[in-house]
Amino acid sequence: QVVLTQSPSASASLGASVKLTCSLSSGHSTYTIAWHQQQPQKGPRFLMKLDSDGSHIKGDGIPDRFSGSSSGTERYLTISSLQSADEADYYCQTWGAGVRVFGGGTKLTVL
Amino acid sequence: EVQLVQSGAEVKKPGESLKISCQASGYIFSTYWIGWVRQMPGKGLEWVGIVYPEDSDTRYSPSFQGQVTISADKSINTAYLQWSSLKASDTAIYYCARENRGGYFFDYWGQGTLVTVFS
Repeated sequence: QVVLTQSPSASASLGASVKLTCSLSSGHSTYTIAWHQQQPQKGPRFLMKLDSDGSHIKGDGIPDRFSGSSSGTERYLTISSLQSADEADYYCQTWGAGVRVFGGGTKLTVL
Repeated sequence: EVQLVQSGAEVKKPGESLKISCQASGYIFSTYWIGWVRQMPGKGLEWVGIVYPEDSDTRYSPSFQGQVTISADKSINTAYLQWSSLKASDTAIYYCARENRGGYFFDYWGQGTLVTVFS
């Protein structure tokens, strides 16, 4: 079964860019994932669907500052021009063998 | 506009039963899978299971199989998550979410329902 691995934390300065990583387990390099954002004390929000070739489709109202890319078993979420509102937990999600799977999440701190 | 509106917070005792709901609007409810996700205090997201309202086909995470029941009533655009006998470890926020047709990922989320179980 596919496993998603995320670093527990990341930080970057206001106005800078950050690249978060979601690693698929070995043998799952063709898998599509989704990225979700969860701001403090709020429910999750869908950011984008990200394919293995790096093409992505964003959710409603997601700004251009959010983009996705892929390389092998790695899936990336890049946030540019960081704002304080971007401080949140970011989760990747995929599916396989009839189940849906979440990564452990990355807590992004905006300095 | 797609909206998922969940029922309010619940406080229950161990051993009690509970059914929480998620009412959908803004799309054809019966033709999209709708799922439930658990978030225990201070923890990440866990997939519980999913239901297809048109025919009530249901899939569960192995971790939750036999622990909860997921159902849907397409006549009132509502999905449910229920427990027959709650445990303190069921204390969590439960989110419903619609699954996108272009892949098995959630594209709209409810606001969450806090379930607290304590004696």
